Amino acid sequence: EPEVTQTPSHQVTQMGQEVILRCVPISNHLYFYWYRQILGQKVEFLVSFYNNEISEKSEIFDDQFSVERPDGSNFTLKIRSTKLEDSAMYFCASTGGQLGDTQYFGPGTRLTVL
Amino acid sequence: SQQGEEDPQALSIQEGENATMNCSYKTSINNLQWYRQNSGRGLVHLILIRSNEREKHSGRLRVTLDTSKKSSSLLITASRAADTASYFCATDKDRGSTLGRLYFGRGTQLTVWP
Repeated sequence: EPEVTQTPSHQVTQMGQEVILRCVPISNHLYFYWYRQILGQKVEFLVSFYNNEISEKSEIFDDQFSVERPDGSNFTLKIRSTKLEDSAMYFCASTGGQLGDTQYFGPGTRLTVL
Repeated sequence: SQQGEEDPQALSIQEGENATMNCSYKTSINNLQWYRQNSGRGLVHLILIRSNEREKHSGRLRVTLDTSKKSSSLLITASRAADTASYFCATDKDRGSTLGRLYFGRGTQLTVWP
């Protein structure tokens, strides 16, 4: 069964450094998402992406964050200058041809900012 | 807010017993999805139920939706130790309001003792 993949599984970085989290959504999907989950808290929406542009972003998704679909398969989340509070599990998700379809999540990248 | 809220926060049962988790939400929805998360791992999709559906089954899982009460329940029958995980409901909004963004609750931590 097709699945969303994410790399790396765990990223440790120093505060102020840039990180890029990578995702490969399911191949024929059209809508892409990033969520994050701070330890012990609920999953929070960051951004949605469709037709090569951001569809919606939350208040968390400030100027330090950016997303890109550099080719036909990858979907990346960049944090330009990491803060301690960016430490979280970051999940990529994708949905097929219609809104309201199932969102399939990747296994997540655990980001630790020191 | 739109978020689903699960109840109870924690549930502890013996193998073979049934587990029922509830989810309430505040505004009208297009669909509601249930996910499972093993500790520190990714979100596994369980069932999607649409606003015009009242009940869905998948193996040992049964989900109900009552849009008049803005609530859903997830029933796991004949539970197993491997069902130990956190269970989340996630809601979207009616189409035209958002582009597929999901709102998660804090989850129910289910522990099944052998």
